[in-house]
Amino acid sequence: AQTVTQSQPEMSVQEAETVTLSCTYDTSESDYYLFWYKQPPSRQMILVIRQEAYKQQNATENRFSVNFQKAAKSFSLKISDSQLGDAAMYFCAYRSARAAGNKLTFGGGTRVLVKP
Amino acid sequence: DAMVIQNPRYQVTQFGKPVTLSCSQTLNHNVMYWYQQKSSQAPKLLFHYYDKDFNNEADTPDNFQSRRPNTSFCFLDIRSPGLGDAAMYLCATSSVPGTSGMGGHNEQFFGPGTRLTVL
Repeated sequence: AQTVTQSQPEMSVQEAETVTLSCTYDTSESDYYLFWYKQPPSRQMILVIRQEAYKQQNATENRFSVNFQKAAKSFSLKISDSQLGDAAMYFCAYRSARAAGNKLTFGGGTRVLVKP
Repeated sequence: DAMVIQNPRYQVTQFGKPVTLSCSQTLNHNVMYWYQQKSSQAPKLLFHYYDKDFNNEADTPDNFQSRRPNTSFCFLDIRSPGLGDAAMYLCATSSVPGTSGMGGHNEQFFGPGTRLTVL
């Protein structure tokens, strides 16, 4: 079974600075997808960024980018120019390309605090 | 806007009194999921529907049931809520590749959740 580990329960960042969240996963498969989801306090979970394992290029979405290291099974998220609205729980998630019904395996989450 | 809607947003029930949470979607996705999320924890998948096919997770208690009368709606029934069932319940949807439905490449779209309190 796949597992996803987020080793940082909480990270603090100064507004306008950069923070990097770590995520490692364990799988024997070669074809899969990785996601970062954001869950602000009392608000719904939204997709931040997605990476297909077969793509070597790291995904980028505006201020959010990933460092995908397939051999090391690492998938970190970098938030640049942090804003107060970035404060949230961030979950890393794995999905096998063969997963029935697109089921996700979540990491335990990292809480991001943004200091003004 | 296409979305996942959950009603009610807050639900209070009494210990042992059956409760139903609802989810609807306008994305025309063929997969719908129910998760339980406790404070500061990752969502825990309870079950999902792939079209009309119900898929239960092995560790989901029998106390939790689900119904999906049509593509748009899915319900979570808790037959006899205990204090340990107090949590946020998240509904999500997804489109399996090669099928119709709005949205990107197979990611799950989440509703705002229903916070359940058990007295």
